Amino acid sequence: GAVVSQHPSWVICKSGTSVKIECRSLDFQATTMFWYRQFPKQSLMLMATSNEGSKATYEQGVEKDKFLINHASLTLSTLTVTSAHPEDSSFYICSARDDSPEFYEQYFGPGTRLTVT
Amino acid sequence: LAKTTQPISMDSYEGQEVNITCSHNNIATNDYITWYQQFPSQGPRFIIQGYKTKVTNEVASLFIPADRKSSTLSLPRVSLSDTAVYYCLGANYNQGGKLIFGQGTELSVKP
Repeated sequence: GAVVSQHPSWVICKSGTSVKIECRSLDFQATTMFWYRQFPKQSLMLMATSNEGSKATYEQGVEKDKFLINHASLTLSTLTVTSAHPEDSSFYICSARDDSPEFYEQYFGPGTRLTVT
Repeated sequence: LAKTTQPISMDSYEGQEVNITCSHNNIATNDYITWYQQFPSQGPRFIIQGYKTKVTNEVASLFIPADRKSSTLSLPRVSLSDTAVYYCLGANYNQGGKLIFGQGTELSVKP
């Protein structure tokens, strides 16, 4: 099946620093990728839709200047958490939608655990 | 996108059949009903998807009545490894594929 990877799988950073998380579709092309955030014991919350070659679309309440998204190629999207604070500590998950018309599933990455100290 | 309602939690024992029902009263004509499974500290994994009637794959069955206002995920003979959170979603792939997750059902399988 299709595979989506995320790097790093976990990261610890100090308050005020920025952290970049990569999301890659390994065996398919994905014009559209999605970024989610999940707090403990809660559901996934969609943060933004990442589109290759254009600006990301952010969900209501998500600060676009704080969560920078770059979809540089058909297999890579990055999420940068700028000036991270302890409240940004969360589990970040990306997903990618296969461009092939016969495949409509959305494939999820394994997630990145961010801890801000 | 459809708002879904599921039981918050369910308990079962190994070897039993588990049925998780999801309510989606306002599901749109173009929405597919999709179920995902999530283990702790992992990304969700696609289980099954359907539009109406019954769909079966190697891991589950999905029953959707004619009015499509609800759906039931059926897991035959669960094992301890089926302990996870199960999410029901309405997905419209003509609208960019955006998925909105509800609260999910936390299934606990006991020996």
